[in-house]
Amino acid sequence: DAKTTQPPSMDCAEGRAANLPCNHSTISGNEYVYWYRQIHSQGPQYIIHGLKNNETNEMASLIITEDRKSSTLILPHATLRDTAVYYCIVRRTSGTYKYIFGTGTRLKVLA
Amino acid sequence: EAEVAQSPRYKITEKSQAVAFWCDPISGHATLYWYRQILGQGPELLVQFQDESVVDDSQLPKDRFSAERLKGVDSTLKIQPAELGDSAMYLCASSGDRQYNEQFFGPGTRLTVL
Repeated sequence: DAKTTQPPSMDCAEGRAANLPCNHSTISGNEYVYWYRQIHSQGPQYIIHGLKNNETNEMASLIITEDRKSSTLILPHATLRDTAVYYCIVRRTSGTYKYIFGTGTRLKVLA
Repeated sequence: EAEVAQSPRYKITEKSQAVAFWCDPISGHATLYWYRQILGQGPELLVQFQDESVVDDSQLPKDRFSAERLKGVDSTLKIQPAELGDSAMYLCASSGDRQYNEQFFGPGTRLTVL
């Protein structure tokens, strides 16, 4: 499974867009990019996933570069409740589909 | 909205004792996962079930950990005997059958071994 690299921490002002980068330079053709977040003392929460096209849902947008070696999760208008650890994961679509979580990016939204 | 249920939410035990955690996945989800999360780290998969069958337990310390999902619905994770290093959050998740399906996580059980 491909490994991901994320900055350990980021700050973002409330109301501004939060852009969280992820590097996955060894991603293979059958691996999706998933993003989850974990608010303190809770289980991880699914945000979004994509293969090669940009994706948007009610929570966020996912921008995947054309070569698929990196991606950016965008929270368009960050709120204090978005303070959490954000995990970028690449995952096969065959076999046991195991997630391998790294240490993620700790996003702090500032008032 | 359907949720993954776990109990207990907190457990304090002494080393060498036995502990058990329970998970009830979202109805209809065939795949169930148990993760362990040490403070400051991401979750690590311990075991994955497809219905009642184990499909991945490569990271499960089988000398002391066991997991079962007898009827392919709810599941139990047991540790016997507990060791100090087992102190962690134990998370259960479930997902549907499609390969790209996301996982839904429960609130976790925080275990403290004294």
